[in-house]
Amino acid sequence: GDSVTQMEGPVTLSEEAFLTINCTYTATGYPSLFWYVQYPGEGLQLLLKATKADDKGSNKGFEATYRKETTSFHLEKGSVQVSDSAVYFCALTDSWGKFQFGAGTQVVVTP
Amino acid sequence: EAGVAQSPRYKIIEKRQSVAFWCNPISGHATLYWYQQILGQGPKLLIQFQNNGVVDDSQLPKDRFSAERLKGVDSTLKIQPAKLEDSAVYLCASSLDGTSFSEQYFGPGTRLTVT
Repeated sequence: GDSVTQMEGPVTLSEEAFLTINCTYTATGYPSLFWYVQYPGEGLQLLLKATKADDKGSNKGFEATYRKETTSFHLEKGSVQVSDSAVYFCALTDSWGKFQFGAGTQVVVTP
Repeated sequence: EAGVAQSPRYKIIEKRQSVAFWCNPISGHATLYWYQQILGQGPKLLIQFQNNGVVDDSQLPKDRFSAERLKGVDSTLKIQPAKLEDSAVYLCASSLDGTSFSEQYFGPGTRLTVT
């Protein structure tokens, strides 16, 4: 079945550092890809999405490009802030709208 | 626009007891999801409703878990009897139409502790 694999955390960075969180997927068909973020004590929020190959999703300085050839959807941000500390989930939906989430990657940004 | 509402936020019960969670999705959203999120893991889909019909309940432990969606709006998830391994956060989400392009909006979750 479909699945998502993302790098394990925690990822600890200093403020203004470059962030990359790797995400790869296995799917039949053409899934849509998502990054969700969960801030401490809050529910999951959509960060960005891409619905077809070569699409780039972006939001709040974060970017991810749907790479069909490498089945990847890596999340990047050029300069992180303390407020970016959260757990980030990569996810995909199949053609029926069923979500598969990765295990999540905790990011800790220190001043 | 009001978000997805869930209650209670926290629940502590003993094993073999029963518990129920309630979810009110965003108005107009046809699709409602219940997820189980065990500490350190990503959310796992338990059941998906389209209006008041079940689309997918393949990962719902039907011997102890049940869910219903009343009149295609609110939903309840019940566990009876609870086991220690049911300790998790139970998330409710809704989307406009459940297609692969449709964003899911999540509620704050109910944290269940089974002792």
